[in-house]
Amino acid sequence: GAVVSQHPSWVICKSGTSVKIECRSLDFQATTMFWYRQFPKQSLMLMATSNEGSKATYEQGVEKDKFLINHASLTLSTLTVTSAHPEDSSFYICSAIPRSGGATDTQYFGPGTRLTVL
Amino acid sequence: AQKVTQAQTEISVVEKEDVTLDCVYETRDTTYYLFWYKQPPSGELVFLIRRNSFDEQNEISGRYSWNFQKSTSSFNFTITASQVVDSAVYFCALSEAYRSGGGADGLTFGKGTHLIIQP
Repeated sequence: GAVVSQHPSWVICKSGTSVKIECRSLDFQATTMFWYRQFPKQSLMLMATSNEGSKATYEQGVEKDKFLINHASLTLSTLTVTSAHPEDSSFYICSAIPRSGGATDTQYFGPGTRLTVL
Repeated sequence: AQKVTQAQTEISVVEKEDVTLDCVYETRDTTYYLFWYKQPPSGELVFLIRRNSFDEQNEISGRYSWNFQKSTSSFNFTITASQVVDSAVYFCALSEAYRSGGGADGLTFGKGTHLIIQP
């Protein structure tokens, strides 16, 4: 149980294009999902918190207009990197907390999406 | 602000040796949660353990054990009789109970320790 998927697993795009990454909880509902970014050989950094039916909460230093987050349902959150540039190349990982758990329940992570912007 | 420090960037041991990964945390909250995750080369994070701040009992799960000490703000992870399959990057993480305004809190990760188990 508690499986989270991401699509695509990897994507290569040209500079200036937009890329959408999906995060799905497959066997549970999640009112809260998180998006993290991990640069090579570095730690995961929280980008934003995605709550179903409301606006995402972004961490300090993360551009809201560049990283658009939509939590359309209890099983799907999407991250759109708009006008991507080479410096946006990174490993993007989402996580989800089961709706049945409390706000501090364990986060289950997706397998990640590797974005390369040429 | 919360912070997690994993001072060991890389550890290399020979198979069957015991190895301890250190984790020191900082938080102003009295209620918080500590985690350990394993990240193999594939990149997917594997959940290992979650511990709340009120439970200082040490835990053992097979070859894995965790030592939580609030007095030193440490949550160390020991692998006994290490195996090559244990090679990965291990992250310690912290979550405060609730954000201001309510709702779940994202995790603050340490920089990770790259564990290499040589055959």
